Amino acid sequence: GDSVTQMEGPVTLSEEAFLTINCTYTATGYPSLFWYVQYPGEGLQLLLKATKADDKGSNKGFEATYRKETTSFHLEKGSVQVSDSAVYFCALKGSGGSYIPTFGRGTSLIVHP
Amino acid sequence: EADIYQTPRYLVIGTGKKITLECSQTMGHDKMYWYQQDPGMELHLIHYSYGVNSTEKGDLSSESTVSRIRTEHFPLTLESARPSHTSQYLCASRNTGELFFGEGSRLTVL
Repeated sequence: GDSVTQMEGPVTLSEEAFLTINCTYTATGYPSLFWYVQYPGEGLQLLLKATKADDKGSNKGFEATYRKETTSFHLEKGSVQVSDSAVYFCALKGSGGSYIPTFGRGTSLIVHP
Repeated sequence: EADIYQTPRYLVIGTGKKITLECSQTMGHDKMYWYQQDPGMELHLIHYSYGVNSTEKGDLSSESTVSRIRTEHFPLTLESARPSHTSQYLCASRNTGELFFGEGSRLTVL
């Protein structure tokens, strides 16, 4: 079945540092890939997405590129802020008509001033 | 801004009580989901629905039940709450793409 593996946290960075959160997936066909963010006390919200190979999703300074050859969708940001402190989830939606999205286990990011 | 709403946001109840967590969306989405989120943040799917009158159990065994009588409404019910049900419950919906989540219901059972 489909699966998503993302790096364990917490990831602790100083403000303005470079961020990478790794995400790899296993799926048949051509899934759509997503990053969601969960701020403290809230539900998840979509951060960015990519629906086909080599697509780059971007939002709020975050980027991720759909790499089919390495089955990866790593999240990056050039300069993090304290307000980026949150939990980040990588997810996929299979292309086979499945109704069930697959989530990674979440990575906590803590940014210090 | 997502148009999906959960009530209550916070609930503290005693063991053995019956509770219903409400979830409503105004986007006309067919597919709706309930997730349980543990303190380690991982999401566990407990119920989902393809549309009106369809409900399915998810990966995580749960003593809760759901109903889907109207497209916009997907309530989750615990007939007899126990301390092991203490958790964060997240409702979500989607059409063909990404999920839209409510803000969650944090349940504490004493």
